[in-house]
Amino acid sequence: EAQVTQNPRYLITVTGKKLTVTCSQNMNHEYMSWYRQDPGLGLRQIYYSMNVEVTDKGDVPEGYKVSRKEKRNFPLILESPSPNQTSLYFCASSLQGGVAFFGQGTRLTVV
Amino acid sequence: AQSVTQLDSQVPVFEEAPVELRCNYSSSVSVYLFWYVQYPNQGLQLLLKYLSGSTLVKSINGFEAEFNKSQTSFHLRKPSVHISDTAEYFCAVSEGGSSASKIIFGSGTRLSIRP
Repeated sequence: EAQVTQNPRYLITVTGKKLTVTCSQNMNHEYMSWYRQDPGLGLRQIYYSMNVEVTDKGDVPEGYKVSRKEKRNFPLILESPSPNQTSLYFCASSLQGGVAFFGQGTRLTVV
Repeated sequence: AQSVTQLDSQVPVFEEAPVELRCNYSSSVSVYLFWYVQYPNQGLQLLLKYLSGSTLVKSINGFEAEFNKSQTSFHLRKPSVHISDTAEYFCAVSEGGSSASKIIFGSGTRLSIRP
C-alpha cells in the first residue's frame, strides 16, 4: 500500500529538548516536504527536498532542520524546541506536478 | 510569487443543500490546481486536480471544480452535500510543468453540515 508514515503521532516535550519526527514513504518519490498546520494559517511549508542530499528552506524554516540521506526518509529535527513550535506537522511526498501524499500528522506540544 | 486565497474560513450548510467553496490564486506562470480534504484527525487527501485539458474536473464523491483562467479561480462545488462531507478543504497551487515544484496551500475552509 502506498503511504507516507510519520512517527510519533503525538509528542509532548519540554523547551530545549532535542527531538526528531521521522517520515518515510514507499512510493519512490523524489520530492518530499514538511508542513506545519496552525488554525487560520493553513499549511505552511517548513523545508522541502527535491532529491537525496538536496534540501531547501520553505516559508517557515527557523528552528528546524532536515536531512535527506536516503530517498525514502526525510526526518524533521528540532534542535531546541520552543512553545511557538507547538503545532500539527505533516510530511508529504509528491509526484511530478504536485500531487502530494500526506502522512497522518504529528501533534507536537512544547511546554 | 504564487499565492492562494480561500475567502471563507467557515461554511455552514444544511444537509442536501448545494455548496460552493471559493478559491482564487495568483501566479505569473501556468499552474496546476488542487483541492485537498482533511477529515477530523486525519492527514490531507487529494480530492481533485486540474493539470491540463478540460477545465471542469470531478471527484468520485460528487464534488467538482472549474478552472477559470480569466478570473484566476478554482471554486469547489457540490450540488447536494452529505453529513460525511464535514471536513476542512484546502485549495492548493503549484507551478505547472515543473518536475518538482512547491505547493502553496490556502488557509482552508471548514465545511460544517447541519442535519
